[in-house]
Amino acid sequence: EAGVAQSPRYKIIEKRQSVAFWCNPISGHATLYWYQQILGQGPKLLIQFQNNGVVDDSQLPKDRFSAERLKGVDSTLKIQPAKLEDSAVYLCASRKPAGGVEQFFGPGTRLTVL
Amino acid sequence: GQQLNQSPQSMFIQEGEDVSMNCTSSSIFNTWLWYKQDPGEGPVLLIALYKAGELTSNGRLTAQFGITRKDSFLNISASIPSDVGIYFCAGAVYGQNFVFGPGTRLSVLP
Repeated sequence: EAGVAQSPRYKIIEKRQSVAFWCNPISGHATLYWYQQILGQGPKLLIQFQNNGVVDDSQLPKDRFSAERLKGVDSTLKIQPAKLEDSAVYLCASRKPAGGVEQFFGPGTRLTVL
Repeated sequence: GQQLNQSPQSMFIQEGEDVSMNCTSSSIFNTWLWYKQDPGEGPVLLIALYKAGELTSNGRLTAQFGITRKDSFLNISASIPSDVGIYFCAGAVYGQNFVFGPGTRLSVLP
């Protein structure tokens, strides 16, 4: 089966600009996660969706970050406006319904904010 | 919030050597996971641990859930070049999402 797809793979923007990342999870995976991975650190959860509903967004900086999963399939993460400290890899992961603990990660989008 | 520490931060070993790394927390976890991340890729699950004291193997990899439930260990036997990467532990309490450690970067010298 196809894995988690993310685009773009790389993005370079200037601070105060906006950026959006897209994720298409594995077919049938109801749970979708967005993580931020700063260089040299482990992934940090930003938001978790169950179908099209938000389950956990406690670590999402809501003043500048937003995410949606309107039809319960693919998802978009947006940053507006970007800051230098947002430079990171943004990983999307999905998990089967009642599928245990395994999350399947996409390759990520590497964001550089200048 | 909960934080995990991983040791060592990085390690260089010769091909064929065994590797040991660990993950510690100030909090108790109910589930421990070990992931590997290759450059330019997302993490891939290696081993999942669900019970204190549990020892689980996946090929040359063996992981253990610490008795105190505040730590976990990963061993790799007879390392090969494709073992190069970053190894992350992740822990979770029932009903909560996983917290990831900062990773151990492994380099294997031929």
